Amino acid sequence: AQSVAQPEDQVNVAEGNPLTVKCTYSVSGNPYLFWYVQYPNRGLQFLLKYITGDNLVKGSYGFEAEFNKSQTSFHLKKPSALVSDSALYFCAVRLQSGGYQKVTFGIGTKLQVIP
Amino acid sequence: GAVVSQHPSRVICKSGTSVKIECRSLDFQATTMFWYRQFPKQSLMLMATSNEGSKATYEQGVEKDKFLINHASLTLSTLTVTSAHPEDSSFYICSATRDYSNQPQHFGDGTRLSIL
Repeated sequence: AQSVAQPEDQVNVAEGNPLTVKCTYSVSGNPYLFWYVQYPNRGLQFLLKYITGDNLVKGSYGFEAEFNKSQTSFHLKKPSALVSDSALYFCAVRLQSGGYQKVTFGIGTKLQVIP
Repeated sequence: GAVVSQHPSRVICKSGTSVKIECRSLDFQATTMFWYRQFPKQSLMLMATSNEGSKATYEQGVEKDKFLINHASLTLSTLTVTSAHPEDSSFYICSATRDYSNQPQHFGDGTRLSIL
């Protein structure tokens, strides 16, 4: 069974400071890893993904994530937080299994950027 | 970028009513669509995976007779909540993806369902 853990319910960071939103996963095989962002009463928006290759992945809105296979982590980062980054962030792992795609989302982390 | 349209965005109706939610991929062919339910301050709960032209695969604990899913074309999937009751009130979100597991999901904006 695959699982995704986002250990922090909420992360608070001052505007202009670097931010990290943590994600660890457990899966058999080689997963595809994704980060999504959700604004209030909206669907999720894709930020970035890791498939293979360079462990540091760059995505939308200045976000990046680092894949660490030994620690089974895929933490989301941004060098300088903006107030507009305040939202709910979801990590997801995806595997192809028997012709169907199995997607598992983390519980989400609320990011609050303080002016 | 890929666009997924979900309609309606909000539904308020009486208990016992059946409600249909549509999910359309506007600019790409979506072989696979997913339906999620999201409770307040909680993550997405996958309800079912829908592949075009075949029966949906429901997650454990999701009643397939209660939540009818149809994926008749590569651009449209529908979720019908049959004989809805107050406990079915929730935020329902669909997503669509091309038939490659390394592609991201593209999400609709969700449907807020409120059963009185």
